[in-house]
Amino acid sequence: GQNIDQPTEMTATEGAIVQINCTYQTSGFNGLFWYQQHAGEAPTFLSYNVLDGLEEKGRFSSFLSRSKGYSYLLLKELQMKDSASYLCAVLLRTTDSWGKLQFGAGTQVVVTP
Amino acid sequence: DGGITQSPKYLFRKEGQNVTLSCEQNLNHDAMYWYRQDPGQGLRLIYYSQIVNDFQKGDIAEGYSVSREKKESFPLTVTSAQKNPTAFYLCASSNPGQGGFQPQHFGDGTRLSIL
Repeated sequence: GQNIDQPTEMTATEGAIVQINCTYQTSGFNGLFWYQQHAGEAPTFLSYNVLDGLEEKGRFSSFLSRSKGYSYLLLKELQMKDSASYLCAVLLRTTDSWGKLQFGAGTQVVVTP
Repeated sequence: DGGITQSPKYLFRKEGQNVTLSCEQNLNHDAMYWYRQDPGQGLRLIYYSQIVNDFQKGDIAEGYSVSREKKESFPLTVTSAQKNPTAFYLCASSNPGQGGFQPQHFGDGTRLSIL
């Protein structure tokens, strides 16, 4: 089966840094995506990693280690609007499609003043 | 603006009733997807379609049906066979054949409840 684990909830202070870890054990790997989802809204794409290393995009960075089945999303200079759920999703390689996304349960980040 | 439109935003179903959730996209994407999201859980794939007139079951297809008669449209029917339909339903689309890894773009979702 496919297994994607991330912490349920994290709390951090405005202006601080938070690191959300994601570990995965999946059959086939074609890349890893991070999405942000505010309550009751659609997930929005944040970042994508397919090779090992760090991808930086403004205040958000994402890291991947394929050998360890591990990724993290780093949020810097936290703002109140960053309070949301962050979803880790692995793109699974399949024989009958371009690939399917398998999602973790999401990490709820709470930013406090 | 290009995007994905889901309707209605809220939907109520009576016992034994089929309901259809609409999903339309004007992004010219080939692939479309339906997910279900329950509180505290990740998104689970119900059905997906890579091309018009073709679709495949996802991980939790039982009690659901879809059609893909047009590139822009991918409606989802929640049948009476789905015993626990209360959830947040999300439609997504992407162009995976474009090369590279294209992210899926999501609609705003439909929240389905049982009366």
